[in-house]
Amino acid sequence: DAKTTQPPSMDCAEGRAANLPCNHSTISGNEYVYWYRQIHSQGPQYIIHGLKNNETNEMASLIITEDRKSSTLILPHATLRDTAVYYCIVRVGGGNAGNMLTFGGGTRLMVKP
Amino acid sequence: GAVVSQHPSWVICKSGTSVKIECRSLDFQATTMFWYRQFPKQSLMLMATSNEGSKATYEQGVEKDKFLINHASLTLSTLTVTSAHPEDSSFYICSASQATGGDYGYTFGSGTRLTVV
Repeated sequence: DAKTTQPPSMDCAEGRAANLPCNHSTISGNEYVYWYRQIHSQGPQYIIHGLKNNETNEMASLIITEDRKSSTLILPHATLRDTAVYYCIVRVGGGNAGNMLTFGGGTRLMVKP
Repeated sequence: GAVVSQHPSWVICKSGTSVKIECRSLDFQATTMFWYRQFPKQSLMLMATSNEGSKATYEQGVEKDKFLINHASLTLSTLTVTSAHPEDSSFYICSASQATGGDYGYTFGSGTRLTVV
């Protein structure tokens, strides 16, 4: 699976949008971009995933560049409860449930009042 | 949505004893389950992958005789840390894989904090 690069930490003001970047310049055509977050001492929580098109759900939006070499996770109105480590993961999709998720260092997002 | 229940959430055990951690998929059948370990201020590290009814596949450097994994049914996988030592103290997390449309979703348990004294 392609390696991802994320900034180690970011701050965001409460109520503002949090934009978390991720570089995955070696991504292959059949690899999806997944975003998970981990709040302290809990298991990772799924946020969103996509292949080519931008995606939006109740939690966040995922913007994938046209060349698919980078993406941005957007939390539109960050709250204090969004403070967590956010992981961007690239993985081959479909057809094989045995493909595990490989976690990198992630971005530690601190939402401040 | 899919839920994975992991128990216990925390456990303290004496050095030399064994500890079993359970991971259950509550509302779906998990063809594959993964076990991760996380040390303080570090990322999750995959320990092993288990498929129902077959032997687990361990990552390099993970002792299969020390970390026994059983995946006897499509809804239950267990990790037993045998002869635990203080260096085994860590946060253990399971994940279950399920099919969701054209892609496979992953749901994580809430984790088990193991402290070996």
